[in-house]
Amino acid sequence: ILNVEQSPQSLHVQEGDSTNFTCSFPSSNFYALHWYRWETAKSPEALFVMTLNGDEKKKGRISATLNTKEGYSYLYIKGSQPEDSATYLCALPYSSASKIIFGSGTRLSIRP
Amino acid sequence: NAGVTQTPKFRILKIGQSMTLQCTQDMNHNYMYWYRQDPGMGLKLIYYSVGAGITDKGEVPNGYNVSRSTTEDFPLRLELAAPSQTSVYFCASSQTGRDTEAFFGQGTRLTVV
Repeated sequence: ILNVEQSPQSLHVQEGDSTNFTCSFPSSNFYALHWYRWETAKSPEALFVMTLNGDEKKKGRISATLNTKEGYSYLYIKGSQPEDSATYLCALPYSSASKIIFGSGTRLSIRP
Repeated sequence: NAGVTQTPKFRILKIGQSMTLQCTQDMNHNYMYWYRQDPGMGLKLIYYSVGAGITDKGEVPNGYNVSRSTTEDFPLRLELAAPSQTSVYFCASSQTGRDTEAFFGQGTRLTVV
């Protein structure tokens, strides 16, 4: 089964600081990479879907990059705010893109 | 816009009981998924379906069954509930399963006692 690894497992950041975290995956048979934001007691919501090597996506203060040749993606948050506190999941379609397999997530806490 | 709807939201089961978690989507998505939330492990795929009449096992299928008789509905059946099945269950759907995002239901919190 596909091994999707996220690091760090958890992160505590001061409000206003910028931060980033990593999703690593096998570089063979790549179809796409998804980033989701998951707030406590809610459902995961998609941030980005990335399909091409070198892809860069941006939504407000959050951006992501993708390197399919070396098998990693970075998610960046600029000027962290308390509302950014959430678990950030990456996920990859696997097995002819039928299954979507998730990493274990990075839990981000913002200190005011 | 209803999106993905799961019922019930909460349920307590006794060991050995059975139940069906309902999931329906109104986006005409072919791909549907059932996940469980394990602490510190993110989401684990239980079963998935690529269209009506087609289902397949995910990472943790033991103790569960699914069916997909229509595009809209993808129920998850628990037979002989065990304490290890205490979890939050999420149903999701996707248009292509690959380069489009998955949309999630609100989750079902199940406790087996």
